[in-house]
Amino acid sequence: GNSVTQMEGPVTLSEEAFLTINCTYTATGYPSLFWYVQYPGEGLQLLLKATKADDKGSNKGFEATYRKETTSFHLEKGSVQVSDSAVYFCALSEGGEETSGSRLTFGEGTQLTVNP
Amino acid sequence: DGGITQSPKYLFRKEGQNVTLSCEQNLNHDAMYWYRQDPGQGLRLIYYSQIVNDFQKGDIAEGYSVSREKKESFPLTVTSAQKNPTAFYLCASRRRGALNTGELFFGEGSRLTVL
Repeated sequence: GNSVTQMEGPVTLSEEAFLTINCTYTATGYPSLFWYVQYPGEGLQLLLKATKADDKGSNKGFEATYRKETTSFHLEKGSVQVSDSAVYFCALSEGGEETSGSRLTFGEGTQLTVNP
Repeated sequence: DGGITQSPKYLFRKEGQNVTLSCEQNLNHDAMYWYRQDPGQGLRLIYYSQIVNDFQKGDIAEGYSVSREKKESFPLTVTSAQKNPTAFYLCASRRRGALNTGELFFGEGSRLTVL
């Protein structure tokens, strides 16, 4: 089946450092890819998405490019802030039709802590 | 404001008791989902429903039950058959036709602790 693998955490950075969180996936078809963020004690929020190869999703200074040749969707940010401290989840959508059990498959999550 | 409301936020249960977690959405979404979150294991799908009166098992359905009598509501019951129920439970919903954009809207979660 489909799966998502994220780099192991936790990741600890100083403010204004460059961030990369690696994500690779296994899928039989052409999934859409997502990054979600979870702040402490809250549910998940969509951070960015890409629906086809070579698309770049971006939001709040974060970026990720859908690389079909390497089956990757790495999350990057040029200069992190303390407020970016959260858990980040990579995910993909399964299924090509509404009737086939559409759902998202999530990676394990990567805890990011940014120190001032 | 539209959104998903989960209740209670914190719940304590004695072993052998069934508990029901509430999930209500006013987004007019057709599909609803229950995920379980454990440290270091990401989110695992328990049950999902794409339309009223229909639902499917996810990857870890044993010991759980759901119902979908109304579009807005998708309650999850954690039964005494669930051997390790202490976890953070997340409800989510998605509008029909948004498969490839795939965006799920999440509630704030319910933390269940078995004493």
